[in-house]
Amino acid sequence: KNEVEQSPQNLTAQEGEFITINCSYSVGISALHWLQQHPGGGIVSLFMLSSGKKKHGRLIATINIQEKHSSLHITASHPRDSAVYICACRVSGSRLTFGEGTQLTVNP
Amino acid sequence: GAGVSQTPSNKVTEKGKYVELRCDPISGHTALYWYRQSLGQGPEFLIYFQGTGAADDSGLPNDRFFAVRPEGSVSTLKIQRTERGDSAVYLCASSPGPQETQYFGPGTRLLVL
Repeated sequence: KNEVEQSPQNLTAQEGEFITINCSYSVGISALHWLQQHPGGGIVSLFMLSSGKKKHGRLIATINIQEKHSSLHITASHPRDSAVYICACRVSGSRLTFGEGTQLTVNP
Repeated sequence: GAGVSQTPSNKVTEKGKYVELRCDPISGHTALYWYRQSLGQGPEFLIYFQGTGAADDSGLPNDRFFAVRPEGSVSTLKIQRTERGDSAVYLCASSPGPQETQYFGPGTRLLVL
């Protein structure tokens, strides 16, 4: 069992739909990152959070430390949101442990 | 300002050869990380530098892998006697300091034939 697990693995949505991607982790962490990876490999950091909730534009990230769970929400999804979304946890020191990613496809 | 850059963007080599992958972090970032990503999987940690020193190299899979950062800026990941299983995208990231947001480079796609 991976220390960081994401669900779903694949997600297809219609433009405009509200999207939720989940991340569960089994160890104590100091912070959790949500990353976006576009085809071709480029990774962009979306959020780093250790408690509560953060919002940036149409993206919202929440974390529940007691339940060891985080969610990434996308409101009013758009085809340009299509990418792989990766949850990564800072378990010890500065190293990150990554989930396997969620492939999101938003159809027009 | 320039982001993290990696060279080469693609590298094809033969089994048994030696390769070097280079990472130029964002200027002023003291922390530098190497990750490896196999097809269809999330990245996995290889090594983390704070300044010139390797603060955590526990992710290096074996002694064929080695990384340096002699002046606390550019880093080179070195792989000796490459194997087909080394084929992956090698990602570099840097952050202003430890435990801060990491900024990723575009990666080097390594193919070992």
